[in-house]
Amino acid sequence: DADVTQTPRNRITKTGKRIMLECSQTKGHDRMYWYRQDPGLGLRLIYYSFDVKDINKGEISDGYSVSRQAQAKFSLSLESAIPNQTALYFCATSEHPGETQYFGPGTRLLVL
Amino acid sequence: GENVEQHPSTLSVQEGDSAVIKCTYSDSASNYFPWYKQELGKRPQLIIDIRSNVGEKKDQRIAVTLNKTAKHFSLHITETQPEDSAVYFCAASMGGATNKLIFGTGTLLAVQP
Repeated sequence: DADVTQTPRNRITKTGKRIMLECSQTKGHDRMYWYRQDPGLGLRLIYYSFDVKDINKGEISDGYSVSRQAQAKFSLSLESAIPNQTALYFCATSEHPGETQYFGPGTRLLVL
Repeated sequence: GENVEQHPSTLSVQEGDSAVIKCTYSDSASNYFPWYKQELGKRPQLIIDIRSNVGEKKDQRIAVTLNKTAKHFSLHITETQPEDSAVYFCAASMGGATNKLIFGTGTLLAVQP
C-alpha cells in the first residue's frame, strides 16, 4: 500500500545509539500505530496515536518514544538501542480506532 | 485486557486441499475480527473481516466464521494454491473511540505443489 511509507527500509546500528524510524501517510487517517514483529510473537503494539495531540503507550513501549509531528507523520525513536530491539518494525494507519489497519512496508532493524 | 490466541502456528497442506486457521479471543465485548495475510518480505494486508453481527462471510475461496458464544473465529481457505503460502494473522477489537486491534501470533501456511 504505497499510501503508507517508512524510512529507512533497513538499518544497522550499534548498541547505545539513538535511532529514529519515520512513517508518512497520504491516506488522511488520524490514527497511526507502531508495531514490532518478531518470529513467533506476531505483531506487538509499541505506541499509537489517535490524533496529533494524542499519544498512547502500547504493550511494549519501554525503550521507545514517539513523536506525532503532523497528521501525516509519526516517528518512532529508540533512545539507546540494544540488541534485543533487533526486529521488523511496521507503521500502520486506520480511519477508525480498532478497525482496518493499513501497514507500511516495514523497517528491518539490526542492533549490533 | 484482550488476548487473542491463534492455532496452529504452522500448517502444511497439499495444493487443492482446504486450510483452516482458528483464533480465540478473551473479551466478549470484541466486535470486529479481521484477518491479514503477510507474504514473505511484505507487509500484512487485510484479506477478509467480519463483525459480531454476522456469523459467516465469504469472498471467493476464503471464508471466515464467527462463534460468539464460544469466542472463536476461523479462517477457511478452499482449493489452496501455492500463492496462498504466507503468514496469516487474526485480530480482534472492541471498537469504540480508544480501542485498538489485538493480533494473534500468526500461522505460517505452506501449500505444497
